[in-house]
Amino acid sequence: GENVEQHPSTLSVQEGDSAVIKCTYSDSASNYFPWYKQELGKGPQLIIDIRSNVGEKKDQRIAVTLNKTAKHFSLHITETQPEDSAVYFCAPTFGGGGADGLTFGKGTHLIIQP
Amino acid sequence: SAVISQKPSRDICQRGTSLTIQCQVDSQVTMMFWYRQQPGQSLTLIATANQGSEATYESGFVIDKFPISRPNLTFSTLTVSNMSPEDSSIYLCSATTSGGRNTEAFFGQGTRLTVV
Repeated sequence: GENVEQHPSTLSVQEGDSAVIKCTYSDSASNYFPWYKQELGKGPQLIIDIRSNVGEKKDQRIAVTLNKTAKHFSLHITETQPEDSAVYFCAPTFGGGGADGLTFGKGTHLIIQP
Repeated sequence: SAVISQKPSRDICQRGTSLTIQCQVDSQVTMMFWYRQQPGQSLTLIATANQGSEATYESGFVIDKFPISRPNLTFSTLTVSNMSPEDSSIYLCSATTSGGRNTEAFFGQGTRLTVV
């Protein structure tokens, strides 16, 4: 099965600064790399994803980069805002998780300091 | 997209009893899953809820402890049986709208269970 490591476990940044969270995986067959955001008292929500044939994807202030050779991908958040405070999970998988469910990383608690 | 409703949102139960959690999706989905999330921890997949047949359980989870039903495409239940304090956790229902590749997973808000 997939072994997923996520770092750091906690990240505190000043509002307006950038945040980077890294996810390392073991299964070279993985071809879909999503990031989920979980706010307090809610279920996770997909915020961005990338497929194995793409190296980078951006959506406004968030981006994901993939290094398939090194088997890691990262979430980048620029110009952080208070509403970015949450727990972020990566969930690398083969086939997108549509049929098989997801294996999540341990999560990163992002704290935005005002 | 899909909106997932779970009931109850929270409960406090006596050890030795059972609790059934309901999950309703507002649109037809292909796959439904149940996860457990212990406080401050990540999500762990319990099982895939299969329509009209027995659920498929992950290692460490068994049907006698976590019976699951899925009578139709949009509804599923998870029962936590013969509860002990170690079962205190958040249980989340998830669904995907396609069985294909690279598909977004949607989650309910979770059921926070405390066993005393």
